[in-house]
Amino acid sequence: GIQVEQSPPDLILQEGANSTLRCNFSDSVNNLQWFHQNPWGQLINLFYIPSGTKQNGRLSATTVATERYSLLYISSSQTTDSGVYFCAAAGYYSGGSNYKLTFGKGTLLTVNP
Amino acid sequence: SAVISQKPSRDICQRGTSLTIQCQVDSQVTMMFWYRQQPGQSLTLIATANQGSEATYESGFVIDKFPISRPNLTFSTLTVSNMSPEDSSIYLCSGTSEASYEQYFGPGTRLTVT
Repeated sequence: GIQVEQSPPDLILQEGANSTLRCNFSDSVNNLQWFHQNPWGQLINLFYIPSGTKQNGRLSATTVATERYSLLYISSSQTTDSGVYFCAAAGYYSGGSNYKLTFGKGTLLTVNP
Repeated sequence: SAVISQKPSRDICQRGTSLTIQCQVDSQVTMMFWYRQQPGQSLTLIATANQGSEATYESGFVIDKFPISRPNLTFSTLTVSNMSPEDSSIYLCSGTSEASYEQYFGPGTRLTVT
């Protein structure tokens, strides 16, 4: 199945700093998503980005499907950005009969005031 | 986008009992899934909930322990049977939109087994 690796595992920033989170995946995928899990456990969709670049406010993401990686950029970080950021890649397996979204282990981001 | 709700939001259960978690989606979704997230860990897929037929389980998860139903396109249940403290986790329901493969998650059910 698809393997998803995220780096770094932990990141501590001062408010206002920029950061880049990386996601590598092992096989061709149908889609790639980024999520933010807030301190209450809710998974919030950030980007659905099988390829290309998208921007949403201070966040942007780029997926280079041919090279099997995706990047999440956070600019001018705020304390409310703290939490775990997950990358998840999806594809079919078992001969194409089953579909699965596989999660990386996440990046724990702490933004200090 | 799809809005997904789960009940209960949390529960504390005794060893050996069972708990059924309900998942309701506000719009039709093509696929529904159940995940488990153990404390401090990532999400692990338990099974794909298939409408009107048996769920498709991932390696390490079996129907006797985690029976799943999906009677229609917007509703599914997951039962955690014969619980032990190792079942203490967050259980999350998920669905993909009809328009794309974008996947949405419910708020989760925090289960503690004593």
